[in-house]
Amino acid sequence: DTGVSQDPRHKITKRGQNVTFRCDPISEHNRLYWYRQTLGQGPEFLTYFQNEAQLEKSRLLSDRFSAERPKGSFSTLEIQRTEQGDSAMYLCASSLTPGLADTRRLEQYFGPGTRLTVT
Amino acid sequence: AQSVTQPDIHITVSEGASLELRCNYSYGATPYLFWYVQSPGQGLQLLLKYFSGDTLVQGIKGFEAEFKRSQSSFNLRKPSVHWSDAAEYFCAVGMDSSYKLIFGSGTRLLVRP
Repeated sequence: DTGVSQDPRHKITKRGQNVTFRCDPISEHNRLYWYRQTLGQGPEFLTYFQNEAQLEKSRLLSDRFSAERPKGSFSTLEIQRTEQGDSAMYLCASSLTPGLADTRRLEQYFGPGTRLTVT
Repeated sequence: AQSVTQPDIHITVSEGASLELRCNYSYGATPYLFWYVQSPGQGLQLLLKYFSGDTLVQGIKGFEAEFKRSQSSFNLRKPSVHWSDAAEYFCAVGMDSSYKLIFGSGTRLLVRP
């Protein structure tokens, strides 16, 4: 397995445009997380999926943001009407369904991220 | 509110010297704790984790961390730093049934030759 992949790696867009990012998790992982990381900060949780179900959204995820995972495999994160404050690194992570019987199931594996610059 | 604090923004050590990166957490229940490393242009890589049991955990690349419940700390250590260890290090706590991660703001490690 090649790990978690994200596309594109870099995106430059003008304020007001829509952008969409894709995340392909590790193939047997049924849990998928999105995080956002701004310069000099640690990643912040945005949302997560268990298979195709979106189970939680952070207050950081305004109504301009939408995430999907239609078939329980890859996921997309769309930002509508981008603002300069959306400039950040968007990280995707995947894991097996967590269970304490096997603590390896609690490990999240991160992709390389998509760096968004809004001009 | 649950939080993770990494009090050192930057740390500089000489190659071959020992290293300790500090992490304090605030979480009501038994914490699940992690250390990740991020190199420029790379994703976050898991170094080690703590869930229960032995409070001294071993990780990859010669790193270890010790969980101290009384101090709400989970400090990362390495006995001898290599130049390739220069990177940013993040401590994180896993939250509730979602197991989403709450990260600290990171510590940037610089290694002097």
